[in-house]
Amino acid sequence: KQEVTQIPAALSVPEGENLVLNCSFTDSAIYNLQWFRQDPGKGLTSLLLIQSSQREQTSGRLNASLDKSSGRSTLYIAASQPGDSATYLCAVWLPTASKLTFGTGTRLQVTL
Amino acid sequence: DAGITQSPRHKVTETGTPVTLRCHQTENHRYMYWYRQDPGHGLRLIHYSYGVKDTDKGEVSDGYSVSRSKTEDFLLTLESATSSQTSVYFCAISESIAISGNTIYFGEGSWLTVV
Repeated sequence: KQEVTQIPAALSVPEGENLVLNCSFTDSAIYNLQWFRQDPGKGLTSLLLIQSSQREQTSGRLNASLDKSSGRSTLYIAASQPGDSATYLCAVWLPTASKLTFGTGTRLQVTL
Repeated sequence: DAGITQSPRHKVTETGTPVTLRCHQTENHRYMYWYRQDPGHGLRLIHYSYGVKDTDKGEVSDGYSVSRSKTEDFLLTLESATSSQTSVYFCAISESIAISGNTIYFGEGSWLTVV
């Protein structure tokens, strides 16, 4: 059974700091990995999708990397802002079913 | 934003009563999903649909049924609600399955409390 873990569960950083969020998964035979953002009381918004053949994807201040062999992905946020405060979730597609397996998320707070 | 509407957004119901949550999409996507989100468990798939009248179970399907009679609508029914089904329910859609790299879009969620 695929398990997805995100550490830490919560993180507080001052504005302007660069930070890294971690995601690990047990089964490296994934199709792709996605990072999502969830604001309180809202649904999930897809940030980045990395195909299994890719090593990284970038969007603005966000950079996601994927190392399938070690079962790890990182989400790098540059020059953090208070508006980045949210919960960040990673999810992987299982190769044998049409579904995503989610991690439990990292709750990020960026302080002024 | 993807056109996904969930209704109701908030509901309080009594144990043993039936409850139906509706997901409506305007994107004409083939795949539709129902997830529940609980503290400490993250999001877990309840049921999903890969076409009209084509549905399959997810990892936490016990106590839930679904129906999809039209491309745009996916209904989740709790036949007899229990307190363990108190949760936030999210509908999601995708154009195709994972291998094509299509992303998945989520609705705003339905908060269900069973008392």
